[in-house]
Amino acid sequence: DTAVSQTPKYLVTQMGNDKSIKCEQNLGHDTMYWYKQDSKKFLKIMFSYNNKELIINETVPNRFSPKSPDKAHLNLHINSLELGDSAVYFCASSPKLTQNTEAFFGQGTRLTVV
Amino acid sequence: GNSVTQMEGPVTLSEEAFLTINCTYTATGYPSLFWYVQYPGEGLQLLLKATKADDKGSNKGFEATYRKETTSFHLEKGSVQVSDSAVYFCALGPSGGYQKVTFGIGTKLQVIP
Repeated sequence: DTAVSQTPKYLVTQMGNDKSIKCEQNLGHDTMYWYKQDSKKFLKIMFSYNNKELIINETVPNRFSPKSPDKAHLNLHINSLELGDSAVYFCASSPKLTQNTEAFFGQGTRLTVV
Repeated sequence: GNSVTQMEGPVTLSEEAFLTINCTYTATGYPSLFWYVQYPGEGLQLLLKATKADDKGSNKGFEATYRKETTSFHLEKGSVQVSDSAVYFCALGPSGGYQKVTFGIGTKLQVIP
């Protein structure tokens, strides 16, 4: 059983399109995240939700909109895709937002905008 | 805010060599410290962690000690294998109201036979 699963694993799309990436965790965790990893492997947090409530929203363009229908799911919708959005997007979850808990990561979604 | 400084790679070692990847941090409060590993084409996996000063995390032959006096959490392994080739991330847990895990830039390790 996959703990944190993302779909799709690969996504190739044209500039200007709108796309969504889905994430689900079956660990019963309260907190979920989206991270963006660029070509140099630098990992940057985008959003964090705790019990469906947005708690971290880093400086991310408005074209990115997270949606958490319940605490097991955190989807990422991207409007008007741009070339610079090409990256690997990771979903992660952690039990709760305390200092001792590590994050569990999904396998990533490689987004290529052409 | 919290921050992590991690040595830049890539690091290339021969099999059975000794590995050190340096990591230092700046934090408010007393965060937990983590090392994550990312194998090619995969997501990040927790390698080891330490939750308080002087704790030593260890896993798969890797070790790191939480040094509060030097604000460091260096990763070490006595004898690396080709299968250890991956990207290693040092990370800082939430602390002092800073509500997120903060990652270093990642260090790519390549082990050659």
